[in-house]
Amino acid sequence: KQEVTQIPAALSVPEGENLVLNCSFTDSAIYNLQWFRQDPGKGLTSLLLIQSSQREQTSGRLNASLDKSSGRSTLYIAASQPGDSATYLCAVGTSGSRLTFGEGTQLTVNP
Amino acid sequence: NAGVMQNPRHLVRRRGQEARLRCSPVKGHSHVYWYRQLPEEGLKFMVYLQKENIIDESGMPKERFSAEFPKEGPSILRIQQVVRGDSAAYFCASSPPGGKQETQYFGPGTRLLVL
Repeated sequence: KQEVTQIPAALSVPEGENLVLNCSFTDSAIYNLQWFRQDPGKGLTSLLLIQSSQREQTSGRLNASLDKSSGRSTLYIAASQPGDSATYLCAVGTSGSRLTFGEGTQLTVNP
Repeated sequence: NAGVMQNPRHLVRRRGQEARLRCSPVKGHSHVYWYRQLPEEGLKFMVYLQKENIIDESGMPKERFSAEFPKEGPSILRIQQVVRGDSAAYFCASSPPGGKQETQYFGPGTRLLVL
């Protein structure tokens, strides 16, 4: 059974800092890995999708890496801004097209 | 293009009533997924449907819950005889026909409160 763990559970940083969010998964037989952002009381916004054959994806200030063999992914956020404050969710795509989610990292960027 | 739409956004039911949650996927998407987010917990997969077919319902509770995605109209998640433990946010996602390799696009969710 696939299990996804995200560390840390919460993170508070000053504006402008670069930061890394971590995600690990127990079963390396994945199709893809997605990072999402969830704002309080809102839905999920897809940030980056990494296919199993890829090592990383970049979008603006975000960079996500994938090491399938070790069961790890990281989301790097450069020059953080208060508007980046949200919960970040890591999800792995496995058999049957389901996504298995981690419990998220709650990020607060202080002005 | 409209994204995934869910309605209602908020639903209040008393114990024993029925809840019907609707999801309209992105136009052209033929795969629909339902996830549940209990308070202070992560999202958990419930069911995966294609038009007129349930592909994977391994995450659905065995009783009181059912889902459908008819040929015409939205996908429906139906919860009969609701209990307080059903209070949660229910999210629908859709993806294009490529399936496993495609991004899932999420709707804003329906927040169900059972009194």
